[in-house]
Amino acid sequence: GQQVMQIPQYQHVQEGEDFTTYCNSSTTLSNIQWYKQRPGGHPVFLIQLVKSGEVKKQKRLTFQFGEAKKNSSLHITATQTTDVGTYFCAVMPTGGFKTIFGAGTRLFVKA
Amino acid sequence: DGGITQSPKYLFRKEGQNVTLSCEQNLNHDAMYWYRQDPGQGLRLIYYSQIVNDFQKGDIAEGYSVSREKKESFPLTVTSAQKNPTAFYLCASSIRSGSPDTQYFGPGTRLTVL
Repeated sequence: GQQVMQIPQYQHVQEGEDFTTYCNSSTTLSNIQWYKQRPGGHPVFLIQLVKSGEVKKQKRLTFQFGEAKKNSSLHITATQTTDVGTYFCAVMPTGGFKTIFGAGTRLFVKA
Repeated sequence: DGGITQSPKYLFRKEGQNVTLSCEQNLNHDAMYWYRQDPGQGLRLIYYSQIVNDFQKGDIAEGYSVSREKKESFPLTVTSAQKNPTAFYLCASSIRSGSPDTQYFGPGTRLTVL
């Protein structure tokens, strides 16, 4: 079945350091979405990637979709305390029907 | 966010009792979903509905039931058959199922079974 691996599970950084989380699939993906969940909150949509090799930026966040459409990354430059939370990738396999969420990467930022 | 409401925010129940969690959306979305989240864990799909009067089991449907009598509403019942019901329950909706649409989540209900 469809496997979605998200690494790392946790990341502790000092404020100002960069952060990257990776999402890897065992099969080719139709698209990938990224969500952020603040502590005690609910997931909020950040972005969707559809094209092979696609790169999108949102201020300090850079999202990338792999050339083979099997992996993706979310990179945060110069983290801030407001970046704290869990980042989930959500994938839809090619020809698939359901969205599958990764287990998430929990980011801790020390001021 | 996005016009989805869940109630109540916190819910306490005694073991052996059924409990129903409410989810309402005013986004005119066809698809609705229920997820369960345990501490430090990801989202696991319980049930989803693509259209009114239709729903399918997700990955962990045992011990849960749903109905979709109205487009706006997708209540989830946690039955006494669910062995470990204490968790954070999230409802979501999207324009339609089976396509790469954004899912909009409600604020969630934290269920504690004593």
